[in-house]
Amino acid sequence: GAGVSQSPSNKVTEKGKDVELRCDPISGHTALYWYRQSLGQGLEFLIYFQGNSAPDKSGLPSDRFSAERTGGSVSTLTIQRTQQEDSAVYLCASSLKGGGTNEKLFFGSGTQLSVL
Amino acid sequence: AQSVAQPEDQVNVAEGNPLTVKCTYSVSGNPYLFWYVQYPNRGLQFLLKYITGDNLVKGSYGFEAEFNKSQTSFHLKKPSALVSDSALYFCAVRDRSNYQLIWGAGTKLIIKP
Repeated sequence: GAGVSQSPSNKVTEKGKDVELRCDPISGHTALYWYRQSLGQGLEFLIYFQGNSAPDKSGLPSDRFSAERTGGSVSTLTIQRTQQEDSAVYLCASSLKGGGTNEKLFFGSGTQLSVL
Repeated sequence: AQSVAQPEDQVNVAEGNPLTVKCTYSVSGNPYLFWYVQYPNRGLQFLLKYITGDNLVKGSYGFEAEFNKSQTSFHLKKPSALVSDSALYFCAVRDRSNYQLIWGAGTKLIIKP
């Protein structure tokens, strides 16, 4: 696609429910990143994919969070048994090669998650 | 520990005046340096980056940034601010041996007419 696409743009859920957030990166981009942005805060790194592999999952806040990427393309971030503190904007970004390069990231518009 | 600091939560500038958004970092070696901008209700967009060479880097929308190795700073600047520049600005740094970007907390820039 022309840009990084995230869906849904907004998600309201009840505490304890599971949610799935989707990211469709730019075609051909091998690196994919998930970040979380809380109100008034900077970006919190969650997970990095290089192709279908996730060399770094260290940013996932708890075992309720998981992510996968299939076909080197679409990625899904799943949050199980959501808690109110999970409320935030979840951002996805992709880049062509990843690794320790100087290339820029392309961001999606994010999913605003609200846990009631 | 590696870190990026944006010491000002908010910067207020009158339209037409020059603006500066500050960024300092603590990262080993010679990192790559980036600025991103987040307009209201829109995704983060790349503004500019420093790789090597000339310390003054020019980017989108008339912005530029000056790399200062001795002060480990990468301040964002614009000679004449526009109201449309009002947004959230993030500084980010990448260690050349690592994939991970280290982000500042962001600075809210408000340009008043």
